Amino acid sequence: AQSVAQPEDQVNVAEGNPLTVKCTYSVSGNPYLFWYVQYPNRGLQFLLKYITGDNLVKGSYGFEAEFNKSQTSFHLKKPSALVSDSALYFCAVRDGYSASKIIFGSGTRLSIRP
Amino acid sequence: DTGVSQDPRHKITKRGQNVTFRCDPISEHNRLYWYRQTLGQGPEFLTYFQNEAQLEKSRLLSDRFSAERPKGSFSTLEIQRTEQGDSAMYLCASSTDRAYNEQFFGPGTRLTVL
Repeated sequence: AQSVAQPEDQVNVAEGNPLTVKCTYSVSGNPYLFWYVQYPNRGLQFLLKYITGDNLVKGSYGFEAEFNKSQTSFHLKKPSALVSDSALYFCAVRDGYSASKIIFGSGTRLSIRP
Repeated sequence: DTGVSQDPRHKITKRGQNVTFRCDPISEHNRLYWYRQTLGQGPEFLTYFQNEAQLEKSRLLSDRFSAERPKGSFSTLEIQRTEQGDSAMYLCASSTDRAYNEQFFGPGTRLTVL
């Protein structure tokens, strides 16, 4: 069964520093991977996806993610964090049996201090 | 705002009562999804529609849950005889057929069962 794991419940970073939010995956077949962000009182927002192609995927708000097949990881990164990046981040994978079903990780709360 | 909308945003009910939630997808999106999110967890897939056809239902969707999308536009999710374990955020998302991997989420309906 497809799954993703987010090993950190919380990540704290100082504004201006680079940030990384970790995600590892377990899939059969080719992975279709996603990152979503959830701000308070707002819906989940799509950040980026990896389906095929370059291992470095660029997304919204200056975020990017690096697909690493050998380490089965899909870490979310940003070179310089902003306070406004503080939110809940979810890694996700497309279900292997149902293309319309997305399986989410448990989430990582990112806190950027001024 | 032409995003996904959900109504109500909050619902408090007593155990045993029935509740109904509504989702209005983005107008040109023919796929509509329902997810449930409990505290500290990522969203879990419940069901999805392609136009008016309900194509998949999760095992999480017990007999007390029913979803409809009668005209292929808005959808309703009804929970009968609510239980305290039904307390959660109910999220709706929509997508096009072509870009079904990019699901756009609404703000959610937070259900509290007393």
